[in-house]
Amino acid sequence: RKEVEQDPGPFNVPEGATVAFNCTYSNSASQSFFWYRQDCRKEPKLLMSVYSSGNEDGRFTAQLNRASQYISLLIRDSKLSDSATYLCVVDTGFQKLVFGTGTRLLVSP
Amino acid sequence: DTGVSQDPRHKITKRGQNVTFRCDPISEHNRLYWYRQTLGQGPEFLTYFQNEAQLEKSRLLSDRFSAERPKGSFSTLEIQRTEQGDSAMYLCASSARLAGVFYNEQFFGPGTRLTVL
Repeated sequence: RKEVEQDPGPFNVPEGATVAFNCTYSNSASQSFFWYRQDCRKEPKLLMSVYSSGNEDGRFTAQLNRASQYISLLIRDSKLSDSATYLCVVDTGFQKLVFGTGTRLLVSP
Repeated sequence: DTGVSQDPRHKITKRGQNVTFRCDPISEHNRLYWYRQTLGQGPEFLTYFQNEAQLEKSRLLSDRFSAERPKGSFSTLEIQRTEQGDSAMYLCASSARLAGVFYNEQFFGPGTRLTVL
């Protein structure tokens, strides 16, 4: 079983739609959680950290459920520029990031 | 540009040759990481340095791979006797270890794309 599992997609949505991505992780000792965004043939960039209380950054909302070892990302009012791969990332506490395979999002006009 | 830089950006080599990649982290960052990413997968951790000390190595890092950070600034990753399975994007990242901060964001470089023929 992979340490971090994501649906690879692709998720095809029209502009303005709301889309949600989910991720599960296997190491219950994991301490920090993130969503990174990766554009085609580019490096990953931090989108947002994920906190147990849930956190929001503009159109993006992230949630963490430690009991279920589940992380989610909600994108509201999708823009064409949101098209990218979204990587679920877990830090087990040793500064070693464990990445999921990524979920590909395609937003169409 | 004050971000993480990597050189070369692309490398094509023949099986059995040795290759070396360089990473220059953000200047005040004392932690440096190497990851490998293959098509359709997320990056996989290879190794990390705090200053010049190599603190952790993944089991993915076979004996053919060696990484150094001799003066705690730039780092090199060498692959000896390359194999076709080594073809991947090699990503470098850096972060600053700040007192009192639990997590310090890792900033990634643009990567070196290796193709082994």
